[in-house]
Amino acid sequence: NAGVMQNPRHLVRRRGQEARLRCSPMKGHSHVYWYRQLPEEGLKFMVYLQKENIIDESGMPKERFSAEFPKEGPSILRIQQVVRGDSAAYFCASSPTSGKDTQYFGPGTRLTVL
Amino acid sequence: SQQGEEDPQALSIQEGENATMNCSYKTSINNLQWYRQNSGRGLVHLILIRSNEREKHSGRLRVTLDTSKKSSSLLITASRAADTASYFCATPKAAGNKLTFGGGTRVLVKP
Repeated sequence: NAGVMQNPRHLVRRRGQEARLRCSPMKGHSHVYWYRQLPEEGLKFMVYLQKENIIDESGMPKERFSAEFPKEGPSILRIQQVVRGDSAAYFCASSPTSGKDTQYFGPGTRLTVL
Repeated sequence: SQQGEEDPQALSIQEGENATMNCSYKTSINNLQWYRQNSGRGLVHLILIRSNEREKHSGRLRVTLDTSKKSSSLLITASRAADTASYFCATPKAAGNKLTFGGGTRVLVKP
């Protein structure tokens, strides 16, 4: 059973471009979480999704950021018109159900905005 | 301070020594989780302790939970150079399970 997959592992964008980060949860997991980690800090929750539904987006910036988890395919975190402050590591985690389960993390996507 | 704050922020020990780090949280929880992150890598889940448990062991790891003090500790016994990493505690919100992480304890084990 493959773990949580994220791609790309490293992404470089210039200011104003779009960044698309992908996450494939573990097989059988229908709950996906996105977190952002700035250098030397802990992870900060961004958004929680189930298939075709956004359950909690309380950690998402109000503008430029969006997330989806379609019926088929990976979850996508999309950042439009990136700025230097978006440079961070973005981690995806999945769990089979919500509430009390361990979350399994992917290796992360390191976004650098030039 | 934030939910899930680790203490100390950094720890340097010799191989073979024990490493202890603490985590404090503010709101009620149904479980608390510890994760390890090697430099530049993803998070690895170490151990989950439920609110009705006081102590849990996994190999060289020992976790305690004191819900009256809203605190947890992680002990790594007989440390190895490979234990060099950042360690985070995380607590899920009651609904939805989104995790709140502390700033982490950076552990350096010198050979």
